[in-house]
Amino acid sequence: NAGVMQNPRHLVRRRGQEARLRCSPMKGHSHVYWYRQLPEEGLKFMVYLQKENIIDESGMPKERFSAEFPKEGPSILRIQQVVRGDSAAYFCASSPRDRGYNEQFFGPGTRLTVL
Amino acid sequence: ELKVEQNPLFLSMQEGKNYTIYCNYSTTSDRLYWYRQDPGKSLESLFVLLSNGAVKQEGRLMASLDTKARLSTLHITAAVHDLSATYFCAVDSGGGTSYGKLTFGQGTILTVHP
Repeated sequence: NAGVMQNPRHLVRRRGQEARLRCSPMKGHSHVYWYRQLPEEGLKFMVYLQKENIIDESGMPKERFSAEFPKEGPSILRIQQVVRGDSAAYFCASSPRDRGYNEQFFGPGTRLTVL
Repeated sequence: ELKVEQNPLFLSMQEGKNYTIYCNYSTTSDRLYWYRQDPGKSLESLFVLLSNGAVKQEGRLMASLDTKARLSTLHITAAVHDLSATYFCAVDSGGGTSYGKLTFGQGTILTVHP
């Protein structure tokens, strides 16, 4: 069973460009979470999605950031008009949510560098 | 707003010694998770603690949860170099539709040296 997959693993963008980060959950998992990790810090929750639904986006910046998890295909985290402060590691996690608790399995992360 | 605090943030240990990492959180929760992260890598799930008094052990690591004190501990026994990593605790604060939002501690950077 393949784990959570993220791509690209490394992404370099210039200020003002768009960044698209993709996440494919583990097989059988229908819940996806995105977290951001700034250098030397812990992970901060951004958004929780199920197929075609955003369940909790309380951690998403109000502007420039959006997320989706379509019926077919991976979840996408999109950052428009990137700024240097967006440089971070972005982790996706998935869970099956059928066990009454919420153990989340993390992907390898996408390391975004904004020049 | 839920706050999760770990201490110490930096831990330098000699091989063979024992030590404990503490994780305090500010609101009621009975779901706590411990993760390990190696430099430049993703997070590996270590323990899932789901009730007051829960204790889990794997190798040289043992985790426990006291929901009344809002405290979890990660105890390291007879440390070895391979345990060098950053350890995070995370608390699931959600209920209803917010279920699933993990709040992480700052992480404890553990270095084990000869």
